[in-house]
Amino acid sequence: EAEVAQSPRYKITEKSQAVAFWCDPISGHATLYWYRQILGQGPELLVQFQDESVVDDSQLPKDRFSAERLKGVDSTLKIQPAELGDSAMYLCASSPGTGGDLVLYNEQFFGPGTRLTVL
Amino acid sequence: DAKTTQPPSMDCAEGRAANLPCNHSTISGNEYVYWYRQIHSQGPQYIIHGLKNNETNEMASLIITEDRKSSTLILPHATLRDTAVYYCIVRPGGSKLTFGTGTQLKVEL
Repeated sequence: EAEVAQSPRYKITEKSQAVAFWCDPISGHATLYWYRQILGQGPELLVQFQDESVVDDSQLPKDRFSAERLKGVDSTLKIQPAELGDSAMYLCASSPGTGGDLVLYNEQFFGPGTRLTVL
Repeated sequence: DAKTTQPPSMDCAEGRAANLPCNHSTISGNEYVYWYRQIHSQGPQYIIHGLKNNETNEMASLIITEDRKSSTLILPHATLRDTAVYYCIVRPGGSKLTFGTGTQLKVEL
């Protein structure tokens, strides 16, 4: 069964350092999402891509976070510099995201996440 | 403003049905009810969705009241592997998912 891949699974860094997370969506999925999940809370959408274009980055702290999906396939989320409050799980999800009935429910498939700890 | 209200936690005996409630009194006509769950240290997993009619799949059943102001997710024979946080989300089709804090379901022997 096709899955969303993420790496690394765990990352420990010191504040002010740069970190990057990678996501490979399910093959053929046009829409890719990055979420942040703070312990005890539900995931929060950071950025949504449709192919290589950003559709929604309204919750992305753009002073330190950046995301790209250059060829419309895999994606990288970067934090520079990392702060203590960035400690969280970073989840990637993908969905078919094409027209027709698929738009109606647009089931999202999530990867296992990257657990970031900032010291 | 929260679109859905769920109890923070529930317990269920293994083998029994788990009935997870969700209130969504301000739901709009074009909004669907979705359920996802998140097992500890994993990403969320889609379970089921519905608009007006009750729905059933291999994982669960979704019962939506006639006025659509509340719904219940039913796991007919809960197992220990069903222990997870269950999220009820209302959204127009194709729009982004907005997660609340969900219900922590604990299935016990």
